[in-house]
Amino acid sequence: GQNIDQPTEMTATEGAIVQINCTYQTSGFNGLFWYQQHAGEAPTFLSYNVLDGLEEKGRFSSFLSRSKGYSYLLLKELQMKDSASYLCAVRERFYKYIFGTGTRLKVLA
Amino acid sequence: DGGITQSPKYLFRKEGQNVTLSCEQNLNHDAMYWYRQDPGQGLRLIYYSQIVNDFQKGDIAEGYSVSREKKESFPLTVTSAQKNPTAFYLCASSPPKGEGSYEQYFGPGTRLTVT
Repeated sequence: GQNIDQPTEMTATEGAIVQINCTYQTSGFNGLFWYQQHAGEAPTFLSYNVLDGLEEKGRFSSFLSRSKGYSYLLLKELQMKDSASYLCAVRERFYKYIFGTGTRLKVLA
Repeated sequence: DGGITQSPKYLFRKEGQNVTLSCEQNLNHDAMYWYRQDPGQGLRLIYYSQIVNDFQKGDIAEGYSVSREKKESFPLTVTSAQKNPTAFYLCASSPPKGEGSYEQYFGPGTRLTVT
């Protein structure tokens, strides 16, 4: 079946580095996405991986291992505004995206 | 500015009433989607549309209906048959094949409360 697992909640300190893991089991794979969602707002796109390896975008990096069904989002130099939920999503086929339940990140001063 | 708009942001209805949520995009995207988000759950797909006058059921289509008469618009009707309609509803669109990484663009959402 389809399944995407992420930790429910994480806490980290301002200025630190945090890694949010995502494991997936889907019937197809056409890319993995990370979105940030502040409470009551729309998800916004952070990163995309379709090949194995690391993609870096400023303070955010995302890694993918297709053979292990595993990805992580790395956030560096944490800021208070990074407190949000982070959603991992797999594009199973062209118009079908499967979302995880999200990881709620709290950044403490 | 290109984007997706949803209205209203908050909607209150009495049980037994149908209600229509609006979604409009000016991104020139062919594909549009409706998701439902409940606390502690991921986004669940209700309906999607690849092109005008065509739409497909998602994982939780029961009690919902959609139309796609224009490329820009994809309204969702929550009918009285939907057992637990209270939720946060998100509309999204994605670029056509061959354009970008196919990330989805989301509207601001409508929080529907049915009592």
